Amino acid sequence: QKEVEQDPGPLSVPEGAIVSLNCTYSNSAFQYFMWYRQYSRKGPELLMYTYSSGNKEDGRFTAQVDKSSKYISLFIRDSQPSDSATYLCAMRETSYDKVIFGPGTSLSVIP
Amino acid sequence: GAVVSQHPSRVICKSGTSVKIECRSLDFQATTMFWYRQFPKQSLMLMATSNEGSKATYEQGVEKDKFLINHASLTLSTLTVTSAHPEDSSFYICSAGGLAGVTNEQFFGPGTRLTVL
Repeated sequence: QKEVEQDPGPLSVPEGAIVSLNCTYSNSAFQYFMWYRQYSRKGPELLMYTYSSGNKEDGRFTAQVDKSSKYISLFIRDSQPSDSATYLCAMRETSYDKVIFGPGTSLSVIP
Repeated sequence: GAVVSQHPSRVICKSGTSVKIECRSLDFQATTMFWYRQFPKQSLMLMATSNEGSKATYEQGVEKDKFLINHASLTLSTLTVTSAHPEDSSFYICSAGGLAGVTNEQFFGPGTRLTVL
């Protein structure tokens, strides 16, 4: 079993839809959870950064962490064509530990 | 967020040559830098972690004699791919972290696309 699992997609939605992206993990020691957005041929860009369980909202983006289920989610409201990218979940045990990435979900938002 | 640059953005070289990739933190001092490799439609795979002034720590399966990492200052780390072969063609991404007192986050560079002919 991989340490972090993520549905690779591709996921295609119409503009304005709510998008739900998810990851599961096996290491209960993970405490820091991140979501990155990566456009084609570019480096990852940090979207959300969460410590431990709970929700965090930033504009159209909401990150949820459920440590009891080892499950994290990213919701995108009012999706835009510019949101079309690969979304990578990532996590680590301590604040200075190496980051473990999920394989990424490819998202296309159709105008 | 903090800015990390990489140079070159893309490089094409012949098999057997060595290629050096630079990673710079432009507006902060990074105590730790990370090097990742990403194959098409795959996730980032950590290759090594380097701390300024000390030897890099390589992940299992990464040849340290082939992928030489130097972290000579708090703003510069270099990755040298020695005797590159076509199977080394990939997207190499660095990240910088360890901004004490500000954030523990990693900031990623734009990546370097290496093509070995």
